[in-house]
Amino acid sequence: AQSVTQPDIHITVSEGASLELRCNYSYGATPYLFWYVQSPGQGLQLLLKYFSGDTLVQGIKGFEAEFKRSQSSFNLRKPSVHWSDAAEYFCAVEGTSYDKVIFGPGTSLSVIP
Amino acid sequence: NAGVTQTPKFQVLKTGQSMTLQCAQDMNHEYMSWYRQDPGMGLRLIHYSVGAGITDQGEVPNGYNVSRSTTEDFPLRLLSAAPSQTSVYFCASSFGQGDPYEQYFGPGTRLTVT
Repeated sequence: AQSVTQPDIHITVSEGASLELRCNYSYGATPYLFWYVQSPGQGLQLLLKYFSGDTLVQGIKGFEAEFKRSQSSFNLRKPSVHWSDAAEYFCAVEGTSYDKVIFGPGTSLSVIP
Repeated sequence: NAGVTQTPKFQVLKTGQSMTLQCAQDMNHEYMSWYRQDPGMGLRLIHYSVGAGITDQGEVPNGYNVSRSTTEDFPLRLLSAAPSQTSVYFCASSFGQGDPYEQYFGPGTRLTVT
């Protein structure tokens, strides 16, 4: 069965520091992979996605993610975090049909000035 | 474009009451869906629609009804509210072609059932 894990429930980083949020998935084939961000009181916004091709994908707001098939991972990275990046981040996996979208439990990011 | 809109933003219900959460999109998206978000559980799919007149169940459909009479609107009905339905509800839509599963989310409805 499809599943998504985000091992870190909460992460705190200092402004300007680098960031890596982990995402591991379980799926029989190469899935579609997404990272979404949710600011407080808001809906989710797509940061980036992986469908095929280059395993390093660039997204909005300076984020990137790398798909590693051997590790079943799709970790999100940012070289220098800004205070406005404080939010909840969700990894999502999508299989062959619309109803097979699975979201991870989310990682809450706090940024120290 | 307003994108995906949801009303109301907040709602308090008593156990047994019914209500409808409204969702509308102005992007001419074919696919629409409803999720609920609970702490530590991410988002779980309640119902979805791949076009007007077509709906199907997601992971947690019990206690909810949907219909899709137009492309724009996808209301979610709570038939008899229960405290277990206290949650934040998100409506989402996507094109259904090209990149079919990139979803656009509404701002959410926070529902409390007492």
